[in-house]
Amino acid sequence: DTGVSQDPRHKITKRGQNVTFRCDPISEHNRLYWYRQTLGQGPEFLTYFQNEAQLEKSRLLSDRFSAERPKGSFSTLEIQRTEQGDSAMYLCASTGGEGYTFGSGTRLTVV
Amino acid sequence: SQQGEEDPQALSIQEGENATMNCSYKTSINNLQWYRQNSGRGLVHLILIRSNEREKHSGRLRVTLDTSKKSSSLLITASRAADTASYFCATAVSGGYNKLIFGAGTRLAVHP
Repeated sequence: DTGVSQDPRHKITKRGQNVTFRCDPISEHNRLYWYRQTLGQGPEFLTYFQNEAQLEKSRLLSDRFSAERPKGSFSTLEIQRTEQGDSAMYLCASTGGEGYTFGSGTRLTVV
Repeated sequence: SQQGEEDPQALSIQEGENATMNCSYKTSINNLQWYRQNSGRGLVHLILIRSNEREKHSGRLRVTLDTSKKSSSLLITASRAADTASYFCATAVSGGYNKLIFGAGTRLAVHP
């Protein structure tokens, strides 16, 4: 296990379609975070899991967004009825302490 | 929302020069961290400084923290072309599940 894996790396979808992203954290990390990053900006917090429990959600996470982390292992982030404003890089990070390990991200383009 | 601001937004220097980036934040923190991001990639953790620390070193990196001014600086000494990237400061907010709040970043270009 060499790091945090995200799949897919790139996703192009038509407006109105649903998309799902997957994150595989470092196996011994119990905390997992999702962030969204738009061009020229820093990452913005979306949601946080400790093991399988989703403990915090940003107000950025509208009701079209849902995230899960079954059994406290991998996590999925689903966006329903995508909009052009959802186009961004979606980053997953895990930690067992203080410093985060980030995945390479999933770049979503909504056309 | 962003926690704070980084200054400058962009920095262009020659190889061998030092690069200094500054970060300001707004709320009480547990620690402050610096990350590097190469274009279109994920972020790489560089260094962490706790709220009770004032200075920390790691290789060519030096970080300072002034909690009274709610500010931090990152110094990269003897820069190399490979240091070209965006640099972000991130604060772990007190009482916030160690959630990191990022600034908008400084884009550093190091020219050979």
